[in-house]
Amino acid sequence: DAGITQSPRYKITETGRQVTLMCHQTWSHSYMFWYRQDLGHGLRLIYYSAAADITDKGEVPDGYVVSRSKTENFPLTLESATRSQTSVYFCASGEGYFGPGTRLTVT
Amino acid sequence: EDKVVQSPLSLVVHEGDTVTLNCSYEVTNFRSLLWYKQEKKAPTFLFMLTSSGIEKKSGRLSSILDKKELFSILNITATQTGDSAVYLCAVDNSGNTPLVFGKGTRLSVIA
Repeated sequence: DAGITQSPRYKITETGRQVTLMCHQTWSHSYMFWYRQDLGHGLRLIYYSAAADITDKGEVPDGYVVSRSKTENFPLTLESATRSQTSVYFCASGEGYFGPGTRLTVT
Repeated sequence: EDKVVQSPLSLVVHEGDTVTLNCSYEVTNFRSLLWYKQEKKAPTFLFMLTSSGIEKKSGRLSSILDKKELFSILNITATQTGDSAVYLCAVDNSGNTPLVFGKGTRLSVIA
């Protein structure tokens, strides 16, 4: 199906573990984005990518790593998860098309 | 610094009321303004506005942009409980940088 998919949709992990959230788009949009959404903060940009192999930090990049080896994929990795990274993560592409989100809980 | 400010932050109305949500912005290189509706899932796209004074409509929802005064409004007429959601405003700043989001307006429509 066309669009943006994210996986997993739900994830529970422990503090200190590495977690990778996947994002895949079928439109070949150049731009892709990762946001986190928390109560009281709205949507905050973590990282974005203008094209394959081009990434840049957003508003809240600390604790996260991204890569973009192919245009269609933009994985987000939490290298050592912390409780403060419990959130809903949205991937988006192009002019604001959002994936369904990943709800991550760090215990 | 680019910013988008939405008001009010929250709003409670009765079914059948008409509401107006506001979005003002300050960005260096405006390209478009987008409205989203977010229920308990990902934001869903409502409108994209690029030109001043041209109203966009979709059913009971409508929106207009004023590029001189740097704001947009989203109107919802004859509100229904299904309109309860957070409405997000975002600005596309030249297309070369990520969207700048406001914090949203939480609309609650009660029967």
